[in-house]
Amino acid sequence: GAGVSQSPRYKVAKRGQDVALRCDPISGHVSLFWYQQALGQGPEFLTYFQNEAQLDKSGLPSDRFFAERPEGSVSTLKIQRTQQEDSAVYLCASSRNREPLFYEQYFGPGTRLTVT
Amino acid sequence: GDSVTQMEGPVTLSEEAFLTINCTYTATGYPSLFWYVQYPGEGLQLLLKATKADDKGSNKGFEATYRKETTSFHLEKGSVQVSDSAVYFCALSSSNTGNQFYFGTGTSLTVIP
Repeated sequence: GAGVSQSPRYKVAKRGQDVALRCDPISGHVSLFWYQQALGQGPEFLTYFQNEAQLDKSGLPSDRFFAERPEGSVSTLKIQRTQQEDSAVYLCASSRNREPLFYEQYFGPGTRLTVT
Repeated sequence: GDSVTQMEGPVTLSEEAFLTINCTYTATGYPSLFWYVQYPGEGLQLLLKATKADDKGSNKGFEATYRKETTSFHLEKGSVQVSDSAVYFCALSSSNTGNQFYFGTGTSLTVIP
């Protein structure tokens, strides 16, 4: 496999529905990140995993947002009871090292979520 | 808290023109600084980085120098090409932010032939 993949690429949800967004990182990458990118803005950090451990979830905007990476590979970002303000592109990135400060994060193409 | 302020766009240049995209940062620690690029229809890609003061990152003809005295990391290229048309994001990460990256709002560049 080449890079980071995300699915679905586009998701339309009615307000109040639950959604699940999937991220397949590059094989062997230890670190995995989720970001939220609103229209015309830069990505904003949501949460970070090192293998299966969620080490930082300080960026999750509310308790409706939940992320998991149970086997240290694929990750799922779940949003419960979606609201219109959740409409954004959700980006996943992975990095091969435990110390990502000095190593490249590889980004997926993102999932564009539209809540109507 | 830590943050990045990036020059607003959009920027439109003619081919072979000189490019500068300004980026300044606020950080309480000693951040690493990055420029990411997003080509149309593609994901974010790392363009260049600098991990300490006075370092110069360079790639594909782009350069940026980590200036601690002015808290800046301006992106420059001497002669832009049509293929450089993209959105450019400045970002930082530091020990104070753990593993978080802080991104600027992005600057859209269009290069016309």
